[in-house]
Amino acid sequence: EAGVVQSPRYKIIEKKQPVAFWCNPISGHNTLYWYLQNLGQGPELLIRYENEEAVDDSQLPKDRFSAERLKGVDSTLKIQPAELGDSAVYLCASSLRGGSTDTQYFGPGTRLTVL
Amino acid sequence: GNSVTQMEGPVTLSEEAFLTINCTYTATGYPSLFWYVQYPGEGLQLLLKATKADDKGSNKGFEATYRKETTSFHLEKGSVQVSDSAVYFCALTSNNAGNMLTFGGGTRLMVKP
Repeated sequence: EAGVVQSPRYKIIEKKQPVAFWCNPISGHNTLYWYLQNLGQGPELLIRYENEEAVDDSQLPKDRFSAERLKGVDSTLKIQPAELGDSAVYLCASSLRGGSTDTQYFGPGTRLTVL
Repeated sequence: GNSVTQMEGPVTLSEEAFLTINCTYTATGYPSLFWYVQYPGEGLQLLLKATKADDKGSNKGFEATYRKETTSFHLEKGSVQVSDSAVYFCALTSNNAGNMLTFGGGTRLMVKP
């Protein structure tokens, strides 16, 4: 079974440029998560989707970040414009139903460097 | 709100030594507890989990017991190998927090031959 797929794996951009990250969850998983992981820290949730509905986006900086999951499968996370402080690893995860006992499976992440 | 505290690293051990990584938590509701591992250059992988008090999760020689009375979920392994070198994250979810994972800061383990 294929795991969570993310692309690109690495991205280097200059500040004020836009950037987008793509995630394909495990087949059949209804719930999709985007996490932000700063260097030396644990991941922090940005947004959670149940199918195509964003059910928790309270931690998403909405002035510059946006996300979508149009058909309830793939998802895209966008930053426009990027700032130096956005340099981090962006992780996508999925779970079967999103219950508190469900395992979340993580992709390899996209490492973003903003110059 | 929910929070997870784990011992700071790095933890440096010789091969075949006994490992303990401490993890304590604060949570509302009835949390589920997880240990994830991140090997160099790779993504997070679930190592083990426990979903109710007194449950023991185990995998690859690692184990952790959900202790509600001490709000702890310490990770242990009887004999570590060089290949266990990685960063270990303790985490929890709870129904009261939208089922999002709350992570500790991670503990880097380095095992020397």
